[in-house]
Amino acid sequence: DGGITQSPKYLFRKEGQNVTLSCEQNLNHDAMYWYRQDPGQGLRLIYYSQIVNDFQKGDIAEGYSVSREKKESFPLTVTSAQKNPTAFYLCASSPGQSGYEQFFGPGTRLTVL
Amino acid sequence: QQPVQSPQAVILREGEDAVINCSSSKALYSVHWYRQKHGEAPVFLMILLKGGEQKGHEKISASFNEKKQQSSLYLTASQLSYSGTYFCGTVGSGAGSYQLTFGKGTKLSVIP
Repeated sequence: DGGITQSPKYLFRKEGQNVTLSCEQNLNHDAMYWYRQDPGQGLRLIYYSQIVNDFQKGDIAEGYSVSREKKESFPLTVTSAQKNPTAFYLCASSPGQSGYEQFFGPGTRLTVL
Repeated sequence: QQPVQSPQAVILREGEDAVINCSSSKALYSVHWYRQKHGEAPVFLMILLKGGEQKGHEKISASFNEKKQQSSLYLTASQLSYSGTYFCGTVGSGAGSYQLTFGKGTKLSVIP
């Protein structure tokens, strides 16, 4: 079955540690996205990538980093510079941009203690 | 800029109708609608493109008024399964604008 996988579903980390969230898709989609969701805030774009080895900052990129070495994979690193990292993180992909629907993964809930 | 959704929350009895509005301050290329149940991923409902027609299937439909930069989602004869938070996402019509910007959501609760 085609889809997007994110792992792990729940993640706990101590303050000051970097942590990497995994996102893999087998839909052969060119574009991939990372969103952060906080209660009452909707989804906010962190980073997006239109093609391998290229990515752009979204609205809240500070304290995060990404890589896109393979078409299928778009990992997100939450660095210690991110001041309030506890949130629900969603990865998505689409065949292209603008006029295409985005398919979402199940999400990773990160809690920083 | 984030689109504004209204209402923020609505409670319906099964069989009742609802309208959720999405308004933007900028010219739009497309409007996307998603539904999310608690703790789960958002699920795509439909996309409306500039110059396109009103879309829908069975009891859920949507419209897009390009001149007013507004979209509305119509849910008719609501079912318990319609409960969740509905998000609109907008893409601006400016050159090189690809980012999908989501509203804060409308929480819909359908009760028996």
